[in-house]
Amino acid sequence: DAGITQSPRYKITETGRQVTLMCHQTWSHSYMFWYRQDLGHGLRLIYYSAAADITDKGEVPDGYVVSRSKTENFPLTLESATRSQTSVYFCASSENPDRWGDEQYFGPGTRLTVT
Amino acid sequence: KNEVEQSPQNLTAQEGEFITINCSYSVGISALHWLQQHPGGGIVSLFMLSSGKKKHGRLIATINIQEKHSSLHITASHPRDSAVYICAVRSGGNNRLAFGKGNQVVVIP
Repeated sequence: DAGITQSPRYKITETGRQVTLMCHQTWSHSYMFWYRQDLGHGLRLIYYSAAADITDKGEVPDGYVVSRSKTENFPLTLESATRSQTSVYFCASSENPDRWGDEQYFGPGTRLTVT
Repeated sequence: KNEVEQSPQNLTAQEGEFITINCSYSVGISALHWLQQHPGGGIVSLFMLSSGKKKHGRLIATINIQEKHSSLHITASHPRDSAVYICAVRSGGNNRLAFGKGNQVVVIP
């Protein structure tokens, strides 16, 4: 299906385990983003990628790792999950943020609970 | 202080009422976005604007660049308008968005 998808949609894991959240987009957008959404905070940027093999830190990158070997995929890995990483995670993509009119398209979100 | 402030944080309205929610920002921007998030749902873009006013159905978004302020109006509100409305701004030359915490809107039948 066309669009941007995330998997899994729901995940429960234990403290200390490694977890990978997947994001896939079919538009061949250059830019992809990972956000977390928590009560009392707006969406906060974790990492973003301007193209395959180019990634950069956002506002809250600690404890997360990303990779982008293919344009369409942007996985987010929690190397050793902590309870503070319990959150809803959104992936987004856009064609060219430097161009006026560019919009970000969001995935459906992954609700992650770390016990 | 957050770059983007939204008010009111929570708003409850009766069906049919006119609703206004507000977004103020502290930086120079190239664009402002209004997004909608339904309970348990994903995030969709409603508007992107850099000046003036845009209208889509019962939704109207306005922006005043000089005052660094935007409003989202919902006319003839309906329970399906119940959602969190998120304001986000892009600063000039920045490829990232700064987000407000959202306005929680509940429309009662």
